[in-house]
Amino acid sequence: KAGVTQTPRYLIKTRGQQVTLSCSPISGHRSVSWYQQTPGQGLQFLFEYFSETQRNKGNFPGRFSGRQFSNSRSEMNVSTLELGDSALYLCASSSGPDAYEQYFGPGTRLTVT
Amino acid sequence: AQSVSQHNHHVILSEAASLELGCNYSYGGTVNLFWYVQYPGQHLQLLLKYFSGDPLVKGIKGFEAEFIKSKFSFNLRKPSVQWSDTAEYFCAVNAGGTYKYIFGTGTRLKVLA
Repeated sequence: KAGVTQTPRYLIKTRGQQVTLSCSPISGHRSVSWYQQTPGQGLQFLFEYFSETQRNKGNFPGRFSGRQFSNSRSEMNVSTLELGDSALYLCASSSGPDAYEQYFGPGTRLTVT
Repeated sequence: AQSVSQHNHHVILSEAASLELGCNYSYGGTVNLFWYVQYPGQHLQLLLKYFSGDPLVKGIKGFEAEFIKSKFSFNLRKPSVQWSDTAEYFCAVNAGGTYKYIFGTGTRLKVLA
């Protein structure tokens, strides 16, 4: 089985722009979670989706949003980028609905200049 | 608010030394506990997990962890580390039924050959 894939792998954006990141979960997995990883803060939970429904979200401003499609693929969007949004964004999938073991993708490295 | 503390941020050991990494969480209810590892240049991968039952769980590559409910701890251990164990280790907690995962800030382990 192919693992979790994330595109793009690297991205450079300017302050004020918006960005969309994509995640394809492992085939058959229906739960997708997103995390922001930074050196100082570690992994911070952004949100989790199952069957196109957001079941939980972390403490991030409304500029961070996400969605899940019927094929379980997920996107997250960050609007009005700030320098502090520079991070590695990780996607993880699990078979769900109550499976708690997550499989992580390689991440998208976002740099905001 | 739930939180996870990893007290050791950087650990340096010689090969064959024993390893114990601390993890404490704050949540009074049912939890699912995990240790993940991130080898240089690789994805996060699951080392071991605890859902219920025997509080001593064994994972891959000779790692084990003990859940001590009274101490809200889930420490990771390995009797004899190898150079290839050089990596960053993350403890994570999922509060039962919340679909939200809280990660510690990670411990960077360097094993000297």
